[in-house]
Amino acid sequence: QSVLTQPPSVSAAPGQEVTISCSGSSSNIEKNYVSWYQQLPGTAPKLLIYDNNKRASGIPDRFSGSKFGTSATLGITGLQTGDEADYYCGAWDSSLSAGVFGGGTKLTVL
Amino acid sequence: QITLKESGPTLVTPTQTLTLTCTFSGFSLTTTGVGVGWIRQPPGKALEWLALIFWDEDKRYSPSLKSRLTITKDTSKNQVVLTLTNMDPVDTATYYCARRPIRGHYYFDFWGQGTLVTVSS
Repeated sequence: QSVLTQPPSVSAAPGQEVTISCSGSSSNIEKNYVSWYQQLPGTAPKLLIYDNNKRASGIPDRFSGSKFGTSATLGITGLQTGDEADYYCGAWDSSLSAGVFGGGTKLTVL
Repeated sequence: QITLKESGPTLVTPTQTLTLTCTFSGFSLTTTGVGVGWIRQPPGKALEWLALIFWDEDKRYSPSLKSRLTITKDTSKNQVVLTLTNMDPVDTATYYCARRPIRGHYYFDFWGQGTLVTVSS
């Protein structure tokens, strides 16, 4: 059971846009920065978004992040088949004094 | 160029202690704010945050595994070592090390390729 809650899966057609939610609490998302990672099949996670809404180096502006209260959202526009991957949110939890991740969301580009 | 690479046994027997080494290059763990962490992922499951060591020797552990985990660093060798005692089949996972780049921010910007550890008798 992950501390941060994500939908198990989302899907959309090529060219469309999708959002992935990440729900937490006052001790993690509300109080600390959120990051997002993309994990393509068989590979290590890759940083997409840090500090809630900053794109990591080399990440196209089709990817965006936002945060409001105890929830965060990853947005992807202009979907491509190459975006099919698992996406994870992460944050620091001040109560646990440890990092936490979401359960991951599998994106299917139909 | 920043790289990290995990090394260690691919197979351990139950009750054994796992020792994994993360060897990195392109940055120093003596730089203020930098940290190196360990994250694992059981097959087909989600990422699990394990431990983090900072440039100043401060350490943080997952509360659920704290009694079994130890993280240390050897700055002269550019290595971070993770030990996990009393291994169980549920500890079967790919173990990743990753860099935390800046003080006060807890994201990982560079990751190793991961090493799969199987726990079986």
